[in-house]
Amino acid sequence: DAKTTQPPSMDCAEGRAANLPCNHSTISGNEYVYWYRQIHSQGPQYIIHGLKNNETNEMASLIITEDRKSSTLILPHATLRDTAVYYCIVDNYGQNFVFGPGTRLSVLP
Amino acid sequence: KAGVTQTPRYLIKTRGQQVTLSCSPISGHRSVSWYQQTPGQGLQFLFEYFSETQRNKGNFPGRFSGRQFSNSRSEMNVSTLELGDSALYLCASSPNTQNIQYFGAGTRLSVL
Repeated sequence: DAKTTQPPSMDCAEGRAANLPCNHSTISGNEYVYWYRQIHSQGPQYIIHGLKNNETNEMASLIITEDRKSSTLILPHATLRDTAVYYCIVDNYGQNFVFGPGTRLSVLP
Repeated sequence: KAGVTQTPRYLIKTRGQQVTLSCSPISGHRSVSWYQQTPGQGLQFLFEYFSETQRNKGNFPGRFSGRQFSNSRSEMNVSTLELGDSALYLCASSPNTQNIQYFGAGTRLSVL
C-alpha cells in the first residue's frame, strides 16, 4: 500500500498558485518525498524531491513540515498544461515506487 | 540526451499469446524499472534491473519476466496473456539505484 494520502481532486484557477497537500505520517528518517505528475496516459514526469529541507526548482517548490509528516507541492503560476494527476511518493531507494491514486489537478481558465 | 524509449507504443494480442516489450534507457543510466498501469489498480511496480541483475520484484505472477542486457536495454515478457493484462506498461531509468526515475511514454497492450 502507498504510504501517502492525497486528496483525490483539486481545482485551481489559471495563473494562481496550486498547492497540493500530501500526508505521510509514517515516513521514516531516510525516506525521501518525491513528486511526479502524469498527463493523460503519458509516462509520469519527475517534478521535485526532498528529504528535510524545502526545495525549489524551475517547475515547483516543495515544502516539508518540520516533523516530516506532511508536505505541499506548490506550482506558483498554474497553467492549463499543468492539468494532470500528481503523485506524492515516499521512498528511500527510489527504484520501486509505490504509487497511490494521486491528486487529479484541474487548472481552470 | 534522448529520453527513455519504449517500443512498440501500441500492441494488440489475443489471450494465450506471449508478448515482449522493449525499453532503451537514457544513455548512461544503468537501472531500469518496469511498471504496469491499469484503471483499476493504478501504477504498480513489476521489477527493477541494475547491471543485468534483477534487484527488486513486485507482486506479479511468474508469467511476467524481464531481463537487462549489457548495454542496459531491457525487455519484459508476458506469457500466456490474460484479458487482465491489458494495460499501459511503463519503463523508467535512472543513473544508479538511488536516483530519480525518468519514465518513457509506455507501451499500451490490449489483450483480446
